[in-house]
Amino acid sequence: AQSVAQPEDQVNVAEGNPLTVKCTYSVSGNPYLFWYVQYPNRGLQFLLKYITGDNLVKGSYGFEAEFNKSQTSFHLKKPSALVSDSALYFCAVRSDRGSTLGRLYFGRGTQLTVWP
Amino acid sequence: DAMVIQNPRYQVTQFGKPVTLSCSQTLNHNVMYWYQQKSSQAPKLLFHYYDKDFNNEADTPDNFQSRRPNTSFCFLDIRSPGLGDAAMYLCATSRDLQNSYEQYFGPGTRLTVT
Repeated sequence: AQSVAQPEDQVNVAEGNPLTVKCTYSVSGNPYLFWYVQYPNRGLQFLLKYITGDNLVKGSYGFEAEFNKSQTSFHLKKPSALVSDSALYFCAVRSDRGSTLGRLYFGRGTQLTVWP
Repeated sequence: DAMVIQNPRYQVTQFGKPVTLSCSQTLNHNVMYWYQQKSSQAPKLLFHYYDKDFNNEADTPDNFQSRRPNTSFCFLDIRSPGLGDAAMYLCATSRDLQNSYEQYFGPGTRLTVT
């Protein structure tokens, strides 16, 4: 079974400070992991993904994520937060087998607020 | 630019009055998905099409139906909307199922049921 957990409903950080949004995963096959961002009344925007290769994945808008196999984590990071980064962030894992092939399993989301 | 388009962005319907939401894509992707998302929760998959093959999630109510007349278009039909069906409905596409392709989401249609 595939699942992801986002342990924090909310993350608050001051502009200019580094930010981390946490995600842990559980998979029965290869871990195909994704981060999406959602602004109010909008669809989800793809940020980055881990398929294989380097554990540090770089994505859009200066975001990156670190894949850690031993800790089964895929935390989203940014060295310097912007107020415009304030949004809802979803971690997801993609099923790579069986009747659920291609399906995304989302975490419950983490609301990031960056204050000036 | 290639994209996923949803119309309308906002839809108001009356309790029990059928409503259809529209999704189109210029990405030429094989897979199209419909999700329901309620107030800052994770999107919930309703069903998806892989080409013309329809795949319904086990817990999707019969009240929800879908049509995909061609590669570009996919429709979500709600036969008798209830107050509990008020939500954001998201359409997404993916190039294929077999590989690690990301899903591309449309802007969503916010459905209000009065």
